[in-house]
Amino acid sequence: DVKVTQSSRYLVKRTGEKVFLECVQDMDHENMFWYRQDPGLGLRLIYFSYDVKMKEKGDIPEGYSVSREKKERFSLILESASTNQTSMYLCATSPGRFGYTFGSGTRLTVV
Amino acid sequence: AQSVSQHNHHVILSEAASLELGCNYSYGGTVNLFWYVQYPGQHLQLLLKYFSGDPLVKGIKGFEAEFIKSKFSFNLRKPSVQWSDTAEYFCALYGAGSYQLTFGKGTKLSVIP
Repeated sequence: DVKVTQSSRYLVKRTGEKVFLECVQDMDHENMFWYRQDPGLGLRLIYFSYDVKMKEKGDIPEGYSVSREKKERFSLILESASTNQTSMYLCATSPGRFGYTFGSGTRLTVV
Repeated sequence: AQSVSQHNHHVILSEAASLELGCNYSYGGTVNLFWYVQYPGQHLQLLLKYFSGDPLVKGIKGFEAEFIKSKFSFNLRKPSVQWSDTAEYFCALYGAGSYQLTFGKGTKLSVIP
């Protein structure tokens, strides 16, 4: 089974802090994705990557950036955390158009 | 642009009732369709998927979904729900040539014992 590991399950950060959310997969999947999940809004795509050092903006990239230096690791960066970025963050991977495998999520609270 | 609509935000059923959750999509071309489930406190996992062929697809835990191209729909069904089916359900699709899934806003199902 593919494992997608997100480094933290719960995180509390202060407004203005730089926040790093890490995602690591143990299979050789090219595609990696970051979503945020909010009640009533479903899953919204922040950024995605189809290859090392490649990144593309999703639907809501403002306030976020990403890094993919190695194939297995995809990091989401909140440059200056704000309270409206309090959310559940989900990482997902896929080998193509076969659906995603999700990590367990990181619940981020910005105070 | 493609989109997915899930009609019901919250559905409440008694155990043994039949379930149908609606999913409609907006996309003119070939689609691949998915249903994912998120049990309380757990990660999203795949229930079933449709790529081609028989429009009635069966998934895990007794769930099935029917792809009706003329109605742009992919509704999820289960003949008899259990308390353990309490979860949030998400419909999703790939448009042609896309590697990103577009998700609906989800339907929360509460099953009362």
